Amino acid sequence: EVQLVESEGGLIQPGGSLRLSCAASGFTVSSNYMGWVRQAPGKGLEWVSVIYSGGGAYYTDSVKGRFTISRDNAKNTLYLQMNSLRAEDTAVYYCATSGTTWYVDYWGQGTLVTVSS
Amino acid sequence: EIVLTQSPATLSLSPGERATLSCRASQSVSSYLAWYQQKPGQAPRLLIYDVSNRATGIPARFSGSGSGTDFTLTISSLEPEDLAVYYCQQRSNWPFTFGGGTKVEIK
Repeated sequence: EVQLVESEGGLIQPGGSLRLSCAASGFTVSSNYMGWVRQAPGKGLEWVSVIYSGGGAYYTDSVKGRFTISRDNAKNTLYLQMNSLRAEDTAVYYCATSGTTWYVDYWGQGTLVTVSS
Repeated sequence: EIVLTQSPATLSLSPGERATLSCRASQSVSSYLAWYQQKPGQAPRLLIYDVSNRATGIPARFSGSGSGTDFTLTISSLEPEDLAVYYCQQRSNWPFTFGGGTKVEIK
């Protein structure tokens, strides 16, 4: 059974940093693409970043230069390093991966990141 | 960036009625279009992928159609548990984008 378990988010001051992790089980993180989708309170869904099996990574424009996606194949874990956080980064962050469909077949439970002073 | 526009924003129907949700893309996404269901307090769930293929375990009352820039999700006979927000998503180009969502309310 595929499971994605995200680390806790938290309250971060503007300009601060946080690293999210997503521990995967039931598959290997390098086998397909994985990424992060966020949802601001009461808003819709937004793709933040994706990393492919070959290692290529992509970011939405608003986080380029501030966020870094990575994975540790030995720990079977996906990460999102978030620097220079802004109020508009406040959201529930979901770890996401595709299965056979090449869309998001599996989602984590979501973790709330609040950026506020 | 490909913009997906969903309509209507809210759909209020009675159990047993047919629901038709629309998703329009700002440019062609070919057949790389999916639909997700998000119930309150839950992560989204994949319903339909590549326009018309039901994901594993999805009831037959959910169906998708369309091509290019215009797509439709149909719920043939609404059940009370279909109360949710429905999102379309394209994977034709990065950034992958979602539509703004259609909220389905049950009368």
